[in-house]
Amino acid sequence: GAVVSQHPSWVICKSGTSVKIECRSLDFQATTMFWYRQFPKQSLMLMATSNEGSKATYEQGVEKDKFLINHASLTLSTLTVTSAHPEDSSFYICSASVASGPNNEQFFGPGTRLTVL
Amino acid sequence: AQTVTQSQPEMSVQEAETVTLSCTYDTSESDYYLFWYKQPPSRQMILVIRQEAYKQQNATENRFSVNFQKAAKSFSLKISDSQLGDAAMYFCASRTGTASKLTFGTGTRLQVTL
Repeated sequence: GAVVSQHPSWVICKSGTSVKIECRSLDFQATTMFWYRQFPKQSLMLMATSNEGSKATYEQGVEKDKFLINHASLTLSTLTVTSAHPEDSSFYICSASVASGPNNEQFFGPGTRLTVL
Repeated sequence: AQTVTQSQPEMSVQEAETVTLSCTYDTSESDYYLFWYKQPPSRQMILVIRQEAYKQQNATENRFSVNFQKAAKSFSLKISDSQLGDAAMYFCASRTGTASKLTFGTGTRLQVTL
């Protein structure tokens, strides 16, 4: 089946530093990748949608200069949290879909827990 | 815009019994898809079942089935013969046919007791 990995699985950083999270589709080429944020006991909130080779589309209220997304290849997307602050501490989940159209099921990564001290 | 509503924050079921999780949605699109995802304590999102809006027949996957009421915009999940491993957060989600992003409900936490 389609497998999506994320690295790291958890990270702790100091306030003001930047953190990069990688999302990889291991056995398929993902034309579209999604980044979600999930606070404790809450639902997944879509942050942005990225297509390979083009700029990401951010959801309303998400700061694109703070959450930098790069989808450089069909198997890799990265999310960089710049100048992280404690309020950025959350669980970040990526997903990848195979192709556009009706059957573009999203396959989810295992998530990355970010703690900003 | 799409909205998905799950009105049951928590549900409990005894092992081997049946439980139904509720979900309602709203969309102006005629072509859309509905999903139930399971998120166990590991936080890995797992697709449980999907339903295409154009299909009248309710989707079924082993012990999981849905009751899709299109006119009422209702999409409930029935879990039969509940098992301890079914304990998790369950999210209802929708997606339009022309876009690929998912809209999630707030989730229902399911407990399975002995």
